[in-house]
Amino acid sequence: QQQVKQSPQSLIVQKGGISIINCAYENTAFDYFPWYQQFPGKGPALLIAIRPDVSEKKEGRFTISFNKSAKQFSLHIMDSQPGDSATYFCAARRGGGYQKVTFGTGTKLQVIP
Amino acid sequence: EAQVTQNPRYLITVTGKKLTVTCSQNMNHEYMSWYRQDPGLGLRQIYYSMNVEVTDKGDVPEGYKVSRKEKRNFPLILESPSPNQTSLYFCASSPGLAGVVSEQFFGPGTRLTVL
Repeated sequence: QQQVKQSPQSLIVQKGGISIINCAYENTAFDYFPWYQQFPGKGPALLIAIRPDVSEKKEGRFTISFNKSAKQFSLHIMDSQPGDSATYFCAARRGGGYQKVTFGTGTKLQVIP
Repeated sequence: EAQVTQNPRYLITVTGKKLTVTCSQNMNHEYMSWYRQDPGLGLRQIYYSMNVEVTDKGDVPEGYKVSRKEKRNFPLILESPSPNQTSLYFCASSPGLAGVVSEQFFGPGTRLTVL
């Protein structure tokens, strides 16, 4: 069963636009919510992450919004650039010192000039 | 250079022939994990290890074994591979103590095909 649901599966955005990817989770034991970026032929790399005691975190053009009561979080990419074209994965880690991590199914983002 | 290495990068094998995919990290990380990536399913955790001799199952452990005899190495063993194990495999490591938020560093991936 998919404990972290990610949408949309694919996204096309014009250069300069805002890309928004959404994730929802079920397990309230999750305590860390990272987003990973993956380019073709490469392993995923951490982009930005948030803990549930914070509602928003911004790093440059990338922002995570977190809604604990709704059990949802989203990634916003402002001023999207062609170099942002990649697959994005949300993830959630179970707390209590474990490293059990559940990933979403991924969103393939294409930013067109 | 700090990195996670995997070998081999590509492997084609036949059903039932035991194989091992090696993973090594040079960052002195405590935590290591194995994932498989399949189209439409994202990354699914196979096994993870919190330290030497400490391993636990992820979400899809069936058909796989792991061992952690040294801190830097975390091999993935397929004792009797089957075609449904054809996938892209990633090893990852992360530092930190229990409860501390830490980034996972991923290897370059191993593309396995089981005929």
